Amino acid sequence: QVQLAESGGGVVQPGRSLRLSCAASGFNFGVYGMHWVRQAPGKGLEWVAVIGHDGSHTDYADSVKGRFTISRDNFKNTLYLQMSSLRAEDTAVYYCGRDLNRGAYFDYWGQGTLVTVSS
Amino acid sequence: EIVLTQSPATLSLSPGERAALSCRASQSVSNSLAWYQQKPGQAPRLLIYDASNRATGIPARFSGSGSGTDFTLTISSLEPEDFAVYYCQQPYTFGQGTRLEIK
Repeated sequence: QVQLAESGGGVVQPGRSLRLSCAASGFNFGVYGMHWVRQAPGKGLEWVAVIGHDGSHTDYADSVKGRFTISRDNFKNTLYLQMSSLRAEDTAVYYCGRDLNRGAYFDYWGQGTLVTVSS
Repeated sequence: EIVLTQSPATLSLSPGERAALSCRASQSVSNSLAWYQQKPGQAPRLLIYDASNRATGIPARFSGSGSGTDFTLTISSLEPEDFAVYYCQQPYTFGQGTRLEIK
């Protein structure tokens, strides 16, 4: 069955960097676009970034553009989110999500990893 | 930038009742709209995509309708497990959510 498992979250000081990973299994990872979506504590969902199936296309929310980089390794079936210049407002649970491949909908999600930006 | 506004913020109903959740877009999105259910401590689950198509494994009591700027998620007869937060989504934008609670 389709499984997505995020890792790499933790507590980090403002201005520092962190890399999240999302290990995929149970499907042909290399034919699906992938996303990162985040949820601040007690708040709603916010789309963060997308990457095309082969990595040739990426896009970002304005709130993270220039600070976050999405990438993937189709040989390792793994999605990444490199986060730099972290701010307190980046504190959230970060989910990876599989694109349904018909309009940027997310048909499978990981369980999420919590990133806390605090001094 | 398209803004999605969901109403009501909270809906209090009893099991067996019918629920209608609204999502309004600030400009036309054609039928490019999805609905998700999220329970506490869990990741969201895709219910409906392209405004009216049920995702794999979603019970028939969930249905979506609408196009352009006005959309509705209807749950025909509420089951105890349906009480959760519901989000609408247009590619790259989410609504603020509707909390469906037990009356």
